[in-house]
Amino acid sequence: AQKITQTQPGMFVQEKEAVTLDCTYDTSDQSYGLFWYKQPSSGEMIFLIYQGSYDEQNATEGRYSLNFQKARKSANLVISASQLGDSAMYFCAMREGDNFNKFYFGSGTKLNVKP
Amino acid sequence: DTGVSQNPRHKITKRGQNVTFRCDPISEHNRLYWYRQTLGQGPEFLTYFQNEAQLEKSRLLSDRFSAERPKGSFSTLEIQRTEQGDSAMYLCASSLDLSDYRETQYFGPGTRLLVL
Repeated sequence: AQKITQTQPGMFVQEKEAVTLDCTYDTSDQSYGLFWYKQPSSGEMIFLIYQGSYDEQNATEGRYSLNFQKARKSANLVISASQLGDSAMYFCAMREGDNFNKFYFGSGTKLNVKP
Repeated sequence: DTGVSQNPRHKITKRGQNVTFRCDPISEHNRLYWYRQTLGQGPEFLTYFQNEAQLEKSRLLSDRFSAERPKGSFSTLEIQRTEQGDSAMYLCASSLDLSDYRETQYFGPGTRLLVL
């Protein structure tokens, strides 16, 4: 089974609008971390936001927020007030394991922001 | 220290040649990871070091691949007898050793390999 599933290969959003990128995960661990990364065309993976499995509140970082629904095993990324510079690939990732040394990525969502 | 650096950024080689990539992590980070990313996919884990010890290797890491981190600082990834299927982006990441789920990895810009 896939550890991280991103079902949206591509998304379009109008500049200044909000967009939600979906992510579901699969784990039997109680302790795990969920991450979102942005990868522009230059190739570098940029860390955006983190959510711990025990965190009761949804994580927020500026225009990024993470809609964490533990029972559904989903960790969707919400980008508010989209900007043209947000156009990129977005990857959801999960850390788990005895030493938290297992890190899994989804296949990504390509976001295009339209002017 | 401004982040993780990788060299070279691009490498073109002929099938059968050996190639070596270098990664310099963020200086206080004692965990270092190598990933491979093919077009349209997310990064796939290859191997990870805690200081100089290589603690885990993926099944993806065939005998032709070897990684070292001799002094617990920079790391090298060597691919021997390259094949066209090795063409990919090779990403390096580093993190503090928090040994908990909050630990965040920070990535370098990657080395893009093309095997002709």
